[in-house]
Amino acid sequence: GQQLNQSPQSMFIQEGEDVSMNCTSSSIFNTWLWYKQDPGEGPVLLIALYKAGELTSNGRLTAQFGITRKDSFLNISASIPSDVGIYFCAVTVDTSGTYKYIFGTGTRLKVLA
Amino acid sequence: AAGVIQSPRHLIKEKRETATLKCYPIPRHDTVYWYQQGPGQDPQFLISFYEKMQSDKGSIPDRFSAQQFSDYHSELNMSSLELGDSALYFCASSLVGYEQYFGPGTRLTVT
Repeated sequence: GQQLNQSPQSMFIQEGEDVSMNCTSSSIFNTWLWYKQDPGEGPVLLIALYKAGELTSNGRLTAQFGITRKDSFLNISASIPSDVGIYFCAVTVDTSGTYKYIFGTGTRLKVLA
Repeated sequence: AAGVIQSPRHLIKEKRETATLKCYPIPRHDTVYWYQQGPGQDPQFLISFYEKMQSDKGSIPDRFSAQQFSDYHSELNMSSLELGDSALYFCASSLVGYEQYFGPGTRLTVT
């Protein structure tokens, strides 16, 4: 079935460093989404991408929808301790007029002060 | 802005009991999704509703059922609870085809 490969699985970085993570698939998708989840909380939408090649920023976050429509990356600049959490990529799949969402396995980010 | 509301936030039940989780989607959103998330796992899709009709079904056990009501709120009913049902349960809503917004979740503990 369709699968999203998200990497890295986890990363430890120093406060102030930039972070980069990506999500790849063998299938083509029309929407890429990035979420952040804090422990015990619901995932929070960070960025939604709807167009191949699109580059979108949200504060210190930047995400791009790959030109092949098979990948996306998320960058975080100048990381701070509250960036800690799990970052999920997700895509939407059109199932005959309704949509389902497929999630990546997550990148666990830890920021060392 | 209004967000997805879930209740209760925490629930403790014993084995073989039943539980009902409630979800109130963002106003004007036409699609509701239910997910189960175990420790260290990504959210696993259970079931979804579009305009009050079931639109898709994932890995939802037969012991679970769900429905969406005329006011668009949804309920997930879980019967004959097992220890393995202990997890975070999320509801999400969206306009069909657009990004999902998640609720804060219900933490279910089965003892």
